[in-house]
Amino acid sequence: DGGITQSPKYLFRKEGQNVTLSCEQNLNHDAMYWYRQDPGQGLRLIYYSQIVNDFQKGDIAEGYSVSREKKESFPLTVTSAQKNPTAFYLCASKGRGPRNTGELFFGEGSRLTVL
Amino acid sequence: KQEVTQIPAALSVPEGENLVLNCSFTDSAIYNLQWFRQDPGKGLTSLLLIQSSQREQTSGRLNASLDKSSGRSTLYIAASQPGDSATYLCAVDPMTTDSWGKLQFGAGTQVVVTP
Repeated sequence: DGGITQSPKYLFRKEGQNVTLSCEQNLNHDAMYWYRQDPGQGLRLIYYSQIVNDFQKGDIAEGYSVSREKKESFPLTVTSAQKNPTAFYLCASKGRGPRNTGELFFGEGSRLTVL
Repeated sequence: KQEVTQIPAALSVPEGENLVLNCSFTDSAIYNLQWFRQDPGKGLTSLLLIQSSQREQTSGRLNASLDKSSGRSTLYIAASQPGDSATYLCAVDPMTTDSWGKLQFGAGTQVVVTP
């Protein structure tokens, strides 16, 4: 079935370590997104990419980095510069062009806890 | 900047009652509006997407309406069931070049349906 796969589902990190969250989609979507969700808060956009080899900062990009070398993949690295990285991270994608409705699809999320 | 508001933040109803969830947005220039459901610890599941040219969309017991001129959308869930308990979020896709694909999310309405 087509969809978005995020891994790992749970991740524990020591302070000072970088970690990378994986996001893979087989929906043939051009655009991919990373959101952060904290308890009691709405979704906040970290980075997004509309096409391969191009990406833009969202509202809270500091302390994060991404790459988009393949259409299917959009990994997110949480660096040691991110002061409060404990959160639930969600990856999403959507298609572009006349054959797409613009519907946004999400993965199941990755929960990162800093020890 | 587009702002999306969902009121109330929480709602509890007895099983069998109809649910009415509200979403308001400040800028009527949108491509579409999407409703999502989120279960605890899970990703977002798309429920309905309404294009800007549409007035409503229906799927089973769900019906969503869109009134761009007043900046409002309403999600109706008929004959609620305990399995409908979740957080419901709305999101608008703004119609501006520099905001393409940068959906603005509401904070969500947490729904509890009691047996």
